[in-house]
Amino acid sequence: ELKVEQNPLFLSMQEGKNYTIYCNYSTTSDRLYWYRQDPGKSLESLFVLLSNGAVKQEGRLMASLDTKARLSTLHITAAVHDLSATYFCAVDDRGEYNFNKFYFGSGTKLNVKP
Amino acid sequence: DAGVIQSPRHEVTEMGQEVTLRCKPISGHNSLFWYRQTMMRGLELLIYFNNNVPIDDSGMPEDRFSAKMPNASFSTLKIQPSEPRDSAVYFCASSFSSGDGYTFGSGTRLTVV
Repeated sequence: ELKVEQNPLFLSMQEGKNYTIYCNYSTTSDRLYWYRQDPGKSLESLFVLLSNGAVKQEGRLMASLDTKARLSTLHITAAVHDLSATYFCAVDDRGEYNFNKFYFGSGTKLNVKP
Repeated sequence: DAGVIQSPRHEVTEMGQEVTLRCKPISGHNSLFWYRQTMMRGLELLIYFNNNVPIDDSGMPEDRFSAKMPNASFSTLKIQPSEPRDSAVYFCASSFSSGDGYTFGSGTRLTVV
């Protein structure tokens, strides 16, 4: 079964600092997704990465995908408190029937302190 | 589009009672997924459907859990009888097989006392 590992699981950082969240996965896949979840809320799509070398940016967040290394990164630039949330990566294992079945990482709980 | 609609938002029930969770996927999406989220186990895929057909139910924890999708616009997840360890947030998500990813509903927070 496909395994998805995120690290760190918990991240506490000061406002204005930079940091990177890592997502490693165990099988060949060229589709990776990042989601954000605020406490008590649902998961919201952040980035869709569909090929090796894909890079997407939205505000202070930038996501990239290296399919050869089976690694995606979510980079946070100059963090602000509003970015505090749990971030999940998910890998699409289209498998035998070519259906988009996702495997989620455990999530990274980010706390940005003023 | 109103997105994926789940009901109820909150459900409190007594142990042994039947619980039915409902989901309306986004129109045009052909895959539907039921997830359960707890602090201890994170996000768990329970079952998923493609074109209303159950494809993989290996994540359904026990026979007490069942899911149906009678048509493209409606799905149910039923727990009978419910137990306190079923307490969790249950999410429904839908997608179209184009690689755009899942859209999640707001979830149902189930508490079994």
